[in-house]
Amino acid sequence: SQTIHQWPATLVQPVGSPLSLECTVEGTSNPNLYWYRQAAGRGLQLLFYSVGIGQISSEVPQNLSASRPQDRQFILSSKKLLLSDSGFYLCAWSGGTGGYEQYFGPGTRLTVT
Amino acid sequence: GENVEQHPSTLSVQEGDSAVIKCTYSDSASNYFPWYKQELGKRPQLIIDIRSNVGEKKDQRIAVTLNKTAKHFSLHITETQPEDSAVYFCAASIGSNDYKLSFGAGTTVTVRA
Repeated sequence: SQTIHQWPATLVQPVGSPLSLECTVEGTSNPNLYWYRQAAGRGLQLLFYSVGIGQISSEVPQNLSASRPQDRQFILSSKKLLLSDSGFYLCAWSGGTGGYEQYFGPGTRLTVT
Repeated sequence: GENVEQHPSTLSVQEGDSAVIKCTYSDSASNYFPWYKQELGKRPQLIIDIRSNVGEKKDQRIAVTLNKTAKHFSLHITETQPEDSAVYFCAASIGSNDYKLSFGAGTTVTVRA
């Protein structure tokens, strides 16, 4: 069966510091991968998605970037965090051998101080 | 782009009663409509989905209906239980690409014992 991992689970970072969040998927090949952000009490905002290695599409212009160095690895980065970057970051996967349903990882709760 | 509106934003029901959440979408090319349940501090979990070639789908106490002409779809929960308390999100595929979703803002459902 497929599983999706995210780390770290929680993170507290000062304004202006860099960020690296990692997501990996097991049990499937060539998945579509997604990064979402959820502000407190709000809905899901799609940040980036990738349909293959090295293929990244950005949905919202901001100080974040994403990379997909391996088939089942998706990384979210920032060079300098802003207060507004605080939120719950969720990685998700779909496709591959699993169909079109999107399944979410456990999430990373980021607080920028 | 796709715009998904979800109503109501909060819903309080007596245990055993039914709950109904409604969503409308704008893109007539959308063909995939999933529903997610998110408990406090947890990841969204896919609970049911429907494709545009089907008008209704049921899974135990939950059902989803789709009206393509009117561009709206609904989630029905019957015989509600306290464990149904959560935030529910609807989503619609963006165009005919099943791999991108646009989410509604969410409905907080509270089941009163």
